[in-house]
Amino acid sequence: GAVVSQHPSRVICKSGTSVKIECRSLDFQATTMFWYRQFPKQSLMLMATSNEGSKATYEQGVEKDKFLINHASLTLSTLTVTSAHPEDSSFYICSARAQVNTEAFFGQGTRLTVV
Amino acid sequence: AQSVTQPDIHITVSEGASLELRCNYSYGATPYLFWYVQSPGQGLQLLLKYFSGDTLVQGIKGFEAEFKRSQSSFNLRKPSVHWSDAAEYFCAVQGAAGNKLTFGGGTRVLVKP
Repeated sequence: GAVVSQHPSRVICKSGTSVKIECRSLDFQATTMFWYRQFPKQSLMLMATSNEGSKATYEQGVEKDKFLINHASLTLSTLTVTSAHPEDSSFYICSARAQVNTEAFFGQGTRLTVV
Repeated sequence: AQSVTQPDIHITVSEGASLELRCNYSYGATPYLFWYVQSPGQGLQLLLKYFSGDTLVQGIKGFEAEFKRSQSSFNLRKPSVHWSDAAEYFCAVQGAAGNKLTFGGGTRVLVKP
């Protein structure tokens, strides 16, 4: 299957700082990328959907000013957690899809810890 | 709105025994259905998917799933589990609205020696 690379796999940052997570499709062009958040022992919750060249569509309850999503190219999307707080600590996972009505492929996830 | 229910939060099975994980979905049309497996601290690996056609779907690692429209179910099975099958399993449905994936709550599988 297609490969999606997420970086970094783990990051620790101080409260009040911002952290950027990258999601790259390595061997296909991703017209759509999805960002999820997963709390310990829970399921994945969709945060936002981003289409290349367009503004991201955020799910209800997700602060778009806190979780900045950029999808500037067909192979790269970034999630920036701004002014991070300990409650933002979580596992963040991206997925990428080439076309509508096809499957999406997942990155390895990023463990964010805010201290 | 689409939704997915995985009724079993935990399942413990002996190595070599069979495994069945339940998944029920709610969606107005024929959905795209998926099963993923997640090891601790890792991303998701696709086990199998159903888009159309044969309702019995074969996947990787010896898993299979059967789509039953009348029961709105897509249960995952494996005839003989291995210790390495211990993980979290997620069923997901993909609908037409934005093609977003909706995940079930997950089932954690523990394998006894």
